[in-house]
Amino acid sequence: AQKVTQAQTEISVVEKEDVTLDCVYETRDTTYYLFWYKQPPSGELVFLIRRNSFDEQNEISGRYSWNFQKSTSSFNFTITASQVVDSAVYFCALSEATSNTGKLIFGQGTTLQVKP
Amino acid sequence: NAGVMQNPRHLVRRRGQEARLRCSPMKGHSHVYWYRQLPEEGLKFMVYLQKENIIDESGMPKERFSAEFPKEGPSILRIQQVVRGDSAAYFCASSPIKQGAASSSYNSPLHFGNGTRLTVT
Repeated sequence: AQKVTQAQTEISVVEKEDVTLDCVYETRDTTYYLFWYKQPPSGELVFLIRRNSFDEQNEISGRYSWNFQKSTSSFNFTITASQVVDSAVYFCALSEATSNTGKLIFGQGTTLQVKP
Repeated sequence: NAGVMQNPRHLVRRRGQEARLRCSPMKGHSHVYWYRQLPEEGLKFMVYLQKENIIDESGMPKERFSAEFPKEGPSILRIQQVVRGDSAAYFCASSPIKQGAASSSYNSPLHFGNGTRLTVT
């Protein structure tokens, strides 16, 4: 069965610290997609990244980077030099290609608090 | 280039009333997904629709909840006889193609609306 686990419920860091948000997934599919979304206090969902299972290259976008490790079924997200505006709930999600619907399975989310 | 539009943003209903949540997908998008986020929880899939068709409603409660996506107009999530436990944020997402399809474009994420926060008093 498909499942996404974000073991860290809450993380608190001081501004400028680096922080890594963990995401572990379970799937029987060989083709699948992984996502990260940000939900700031205002409540909307902001798309951050989508990766497919055949692309294990790590990705960097500004202060954000993602480490995809198929061997450990993990898709971790690192924020470098965190800022107060990074404070939000971050969700990791999985979509299986063989699913007839493409629906997303979300993790429980990690609440990140960045203190000044 | 409007994104996914949901309205109302906030909705307050008394127990027993009906709630209607609307979602207008991005232009050109024919696939709509509804998700529910209960307080302090992650998002849970409810239903997946294409124009005039319900494709997957495996996440919908069996009673009181229904969804439609007519040929013209927005998608509607309808909750009849609301109860306090229905209080949640309801998010709609749209896509031009079925997400997860092997041939789908790498750059076509699911676009979410800002959500409707339903409060049942």
